[in-house]
Amino acid sequence: DAGVTQSPTHLIKTRGQQVTLRCSPKSGHDTVSWYQQALGQGPQFIFQYYEEEERQRGNFPDRFSGHQFPNYSSELNVNALLLGDSALYLCASSFEGGSYEQYFGPGTRLTVT
Amino acid sequence: KNQVEQSPQSLIILEGKNCTLQCNYTVSPFSNLRWYKQDTGRGPVSLTIMTFSENTKSNGRYTATLDADTKQSSLHITASQLSDSASYICVVSRYNAGNMLTFGGGTRLMVKP
Repeated sequence: DAGVTQSPTHLIKTRGQQVTLRCSPKSGHDTVSWYQQALGQGPQFIFQYYEEEERQRGNFPDRFSGHQFPNYSSELNVNALLLGDSALYLCASSFEGGSYEQYFGPGTRLTVT
Repeated sequence: KNQVEQSPQSLIILEGKNCTLQCNYTVSPFSNLRWYKQDTGRGPVSLTIMTFSENTKSNGRYTATLDADTKQSSLHITASQLSDSASYICVVSRYNAGNMLTFGGGTRLMVKP
């Protein structure tokens, strides 16, 4: 049983570019949450997807958008990249009808130059 | 404001020694509190989850306590090992908030031989 997987593992982009990060949830999970973790800090909640819709959103600008597909996988898109977007992006999955335990993927390290 | 504060920010101990990490929160309404272990550059891994009615939970050498009245939690690590070197993050979930998690900044633990 595969856990949460994310791709790519590392990514280098230039300011102003756009990026798409991908996440496949743990088998049986239907909810995907995305977090941004700057170096040396705790993760910050970006948004959560359930039933292909954004259900909750943290304090992030509209440059951050997402999508959830019928197979529950999800994408995080960031437009007009800024240097400050450099971070580890974590995806976590959970089952809506379960114990709310969230399982995290290994993350995607994004560097904006 | 919903916040989670952890102390100390960093800690160095010798292998075999015990240590205790602290977490204070103001998140409301409270649903559950989790402790995660995060190795550098990796996704967090859950150690314990406690609901309002639980005041202690163990996972091997890790023992978490919760005082919901004072909104404090602690994570006690017994007989530390070199592999315990990691960041330990306290996370609080809000009731009826779509499982949105609020993360503390983490305590960076280094275990030295």
